[in-house]
Amino acid sequence: DQQVKQNSPSLSVQEGRISILNCDYTNSMFDYFLWYKKYPAEGPTFLISISSIKDKNEDGRFTVFLNKSAKHLSLHIVPSQPGDSAVYFCAANSHAGGTSYGKLTFGQGTILTVHP
Amino acid sequence: DGGITQSPKYLFRKEGQNVTLSCEQNLNHDAMYWYRQDPGQGLRLIYYSQIVNDFQKGDIAEGYSVSREKKESFPLTVTSAQKNPTAFYLCASSIWYSGANVLTFGAGSRLTVL
Repeated sequence: DQQVKQNSPSLSVQEGRISILNCDYTNSMFDYFLWYKKYPAEGPTFLISISSIKDKNEDGRFTVFLNKSAKHLSLHIVPSQPGDSAVYFCAANSHAGGTSYGKLTFGQGTILTVHP
Repeated sequence: DGGITQSPKYLFRKEGQNVTLSCEQNLNHDAMYWYRQDPGQGLRLIYYSQIVNDFQKGDIAEGYSVSREKKESFPLTVTSAQKNPTAFYLCASSIWYSGANVLTFGAGSRLTVL
């Protein structure tokens, strides 16, 4: 049962344009969402997070939008740079029942390629 | 320089052998995790530990074992019972940030079964 889905395996964007990465989830108990970036043969690095009480969180070139009714979140990168080329994972976490051990459920990842 | 160190980076194993992947952190984090990455499947949780001398099974614990004798260390043993062990293994530890439990990952260990 894939509770977090990234339906686009890959995305190709021109440098300077906007990159939009999408993520859908099915578990309504998820209340925190995170985006990670991963280069080949390296561990993922944390990019940005959003709580379910918000619908937008911005950090520099990165903005995450959350649509709770649609169970959908997206990561916008503006402007895109060649160094942004990596695999992007969305992840979700639930604090229901007091669980706080960070059992993140990850999507399959989207490979972003930014062309110069 | 704080972080998570995983070793070895590459490991080859013959079928029927147990192997142990090392994970050490100097971030003073209480919680540690092991994830497995396979192509097209994202990251799946194998085991996690919230505190020394305690650990819990994740979603795909069969064929794996762990120990947590020290706060800094969380080694993972891939046993011969693991049917498909070839994968990229990621260790992580976590801290709370703006209400979210944010994981910091090591660089990973790639295990190949010959």
